[in-house]
Amino acid sequence: GAVVSQHPSRVICKSGTSVKIECRSLDFQATTMFWYRQFPKQSLMLMATSNEGSKATYEQGVEKDKFLINHASLTLSTLTVTSAHPEDSSFYICSARADTGIFYLEAFFGQGTRLTVV
Amino acid sequence: AQTVTQSQPEMSVQEAETVTLSCTYDTSESDYYLFWYKQPPSRQMILVIRQEAYKQQNATENRFSVNFQKAAKSFSLKISDSQLGDAAMYFCAYSPKTSYDKVIFGPGTSLSVIP
Repeated sequence: GAVVSQHPSRVICKSGTSVKIECRSLDFQATTMFWYRQFPKQSLMLMATSNEGSKATYEQGVEKDKFLINHASLTLSTLTVTSAHPEDSSFYICSARADTGIFYLEAFFGQGTRLTVV
Repeated sequence: AQTVTQSQPEMSVQEAETVTLSCTYDTSESDYYLFWYKQPPSRQMILVIRQEAYKQQNATENRFSVNFQKAAKSFSLKISDSQLGDAAMYFCAYSPKTSYDKVIFGPGTSLSVIP
């Protein structure tokens, strides 16, 4: 299958600072990428849908000013957690959906980022 | 709104035996995708199997097969000859057939494999 690279895999930051997480599709183009949050032993909760060249669409209850999403190219989307607080500590996963080719419309996932805010 | 339900929070199976994980979903669409994803302790999401709704034939991938009942909106996963490496969280997921629509996940089933 195709590869989605998410970086960093782990990050610890101080309360009040901002953290950026990158999601790259390495061998395919993805007009649409998705950002999920996963709490321990729970399912993936969609935070936002990121579309290349346009504003992200946020799910209800997700603060767009806290979770800034930028989809600058067909292979890169970033999630910035601004003014992070301990309650933002979680596992964040990105997913990219192939636009064309043999993996058309199949979603591939990054390895996730464990964010700890201290 | 589309929803995905997995009624078994936890399941266990003896090594080499067969286990079936249940999934039901709700949608008004006629064509869509259904998936089973595996999430091992590493937390990397791995696609196990995919089914296109317009295809009547059940998808199979080696030891993994599905029982897709479109009218009943049921999509169960059967794992044959279970192996220790199959132990993981399994998520059933639904997606409409457009590149802009999200994948909706069920709550997951934690599968344990007993040696």
